[in-house]
Parts: sequence; structure tokens; C-alpha cells
Amino acid sequence: GAGVSQSPSNKVTEKGKDVELRCDPISGHTALYWYRQSLGQGLEFLIYFQGNSAPDKSGLPSDRFSAERTGGSVSTLTIQRTQQEDSAVYLCASSLVASGRETQYFGPGTRLLVL
Amino acid sequence: GESVGLHLPTLSVQEGDNSIINCAYSNSASDYFIWYKQESGKGPQFIIDIRSNMDKRQGQRVTVLLNKTVKHLSLQIAATQPGDSAVYFCADSGGSNYKLTFGKGTLLTVNP
Repeated sequence: GAGVSQSPSNKVTEKGKDVELRCDPISGHTALYWYRQSLGQGLEFLIYFQGNSAPDKSGLPSDRFSAERTGGSVSTLTIQRTQQEDSAVYLCASSLVASGRETQYFGPGTRLLVL
Repeated sequence: GESVGLHLPTLSVQEGDNSIINCAYSNSASDYFIWYKQESGKGPQFIIDIRSNMDKRQGQRVTVLLNKTVKHLSLQIAATQPGDSAVYFCADSGGSNYKLTFGKGTLLTVNP
């Protein structure tokens, strides 16, 4: 079966523009996570979705960041008025259920560069 | 706050040698641990996991050891190959019901 997919794989944008990043989780996985990884750094948790429950947005760095998950499947991470410090790899992961004891499977990431 | 950390940021080994990557955690509530491998330009790939009711688990060429007394986790790779060159992350569940906390990673370089 297919793994987690993300698009675009690379995105170059100008400061101040809005960007949308897409994640398709593994079919049947109810939990979906977004992380940010800056160069040479670990993974920074951004947001998580579990089924129809309200998402945990506690990791979003500012109100310029938002995410939604339609139909319990595909998710979109939106960054408004991008800044240079938003440049990073944005990783999406999914797991069968939302549990700190379930393996999260990652997509290849979207590499965002803000000029 | 409590976090997962790594002892060494880089590790260089010769092809065929065994590799050991270490990780320390501080959250005593952690009961689930995962090791991921991340190759350049790719997302993290699951390697092996272990629950706190175990102290050792083996996979193909990899072994994870858990020492709850000193809150230490290690990943052993047998007969390291050039394809093992990557950044290795440990992660733990902490006290969360759903969130994993990741360390910064260790870069493993395998020399031919």
C-alpha cells in the first residue's frame, strides 16, 4: 500500500506570500501530525489531528500557521505572509490511532524556502 | 522541561563494524520509544520500537536496549554498511497520550 505522500516536494516563495502544503496520510490512519524540521535540527511538533476531534494546535509557532483536515483524510498546512525563518522541511506523519504508543509513519516532506 | 537527548551528535565507523547510538531521556513517564532513520532528503523511516516492559528488542541487524534505571536507550547496528549512513533519531512518548518527543539526532557516517 502507499505510504504518506506530501506535495509539493519543494516550494520556493517570496517573503509575504501565502503557501499551502498538502499531506495524504496512509489509508485507514485516523491520526495525522505535522512537524517542522530546520536544517540540522530535530523535529518540532506543530499540530495533530485525530478523527473528528478538535486538533491540538499547541505547537503552531504563530497565528500565521493554520491547518485543516478535510473528511478525516487529506490535510493542508497553510502559512500566511511567509517569513524567511519559516524556511524548513515540513513533515507529515500518520498513525493508525492517536497514541503516544503507535508508530508514526512519515512522508518525504516539503522543503520550503522563503526568499 | 523534560526532553529526549542524545549523547553524541556524530558517529563515524568503518564498514563492517558494529555501531552504537545512544539516547538519554528524562521523562520517567515515558513508556514507549522509537528509533527512526533519516537519509538525506527523505522523511524519517521507522527502524524499531520498544515498550517499557521490555529491556531488549531485536530486529534485522538492529537491537534496541532500554535501561529504565538510568533512563537510557541505545540502538545497535550490526555489521554497519554504507547504506546505514544517515541521521538517527530517538523519540519517546513522555507522558503524552499521543505526542512523540524527538531528540536532535545523531549523524552516522560509515566509511568504506
